Amino acid sequence: DIQMTQSPSSLSASVGDRVAITCRASQSISSYLNWYQQKPGKAPKLLIYTASSLQSGVPSRFSGSGSGTDFTLTISSLQPEDFATYYCQQSYSTPWTFGQGTKVEIK
Amino acid sequence: EVQLVESGGDLVQPGGSLRLSCVDSRFTFSSYGMNWVRQAPGKGLEWVSYISSSSSTTYYADSVKGRFTISRDNAKNSLYLQMNSLRAEDTAVYYCARRYCSTGCYDDSWGQGTLVTVSS
Repeated sequence: DIQMTQSPSSLSASVGDRVAITCRASQSISSYLNWYQQKPGKAPKLLIYTASSLQSGVPSRFSGSGSGTDFTLTISSLQPEDFATYYCQQSYSTPWTFGQGTKVEIK
Repeated sequence: EVQLVESGGDLVQPGGSLRLSCVDSRFTFSSYGMNWVRQAPGKGLEWVSYISSSSSTTYYADSVKGRFTISRDNAKNSLYLQMNSLRAEDTAVYYCARRYCSTGCYDDSWGQGTLVTVSS
């Protein structure tokens, strides 16, 4: 199985900050990496697919980069509605594993 | 807009069975593969099972293989998860999600989730 490791597990940031979350795969997954946002009590929401493609309707302050084993989700200017937990997931091979999540909290 | 609605979650004793359903009538359900993903209380997301649009291909996580069965009825726009031999560690919110594939594959639409509690 491919292991996905996110860092940090949590972070505190202020509105307007630039935030970066990293995700590392235990083996190369090309660009088959997706990012999801989840708010408490809600279903996950797709943000970024195939490493860098922005899902329709998602604000342009979200961006993704990387390939192979190392990936990054960047929020260019954190907004109040962005405080949530973020998950990466590889879609290279089954089982389609998720990272453990990164909780973004208000400083 | 895609809307997926899960149902069937309940409190069940260890060793028991439960069948989850997921229904959508707002897109061409029969054209897409579907996933079940679960989330234990306070924990992260875990992919559980996948079924292709025609039901010809199914995949399972090792943690549920042999106990859970995924199926679908395209005439009813419905997805199912039959869960047998339930364990305490199966306690979770179960989400259905549409698996969309273009340059890669990703889950672009999710239901609201249904809670399964396995406890005596």
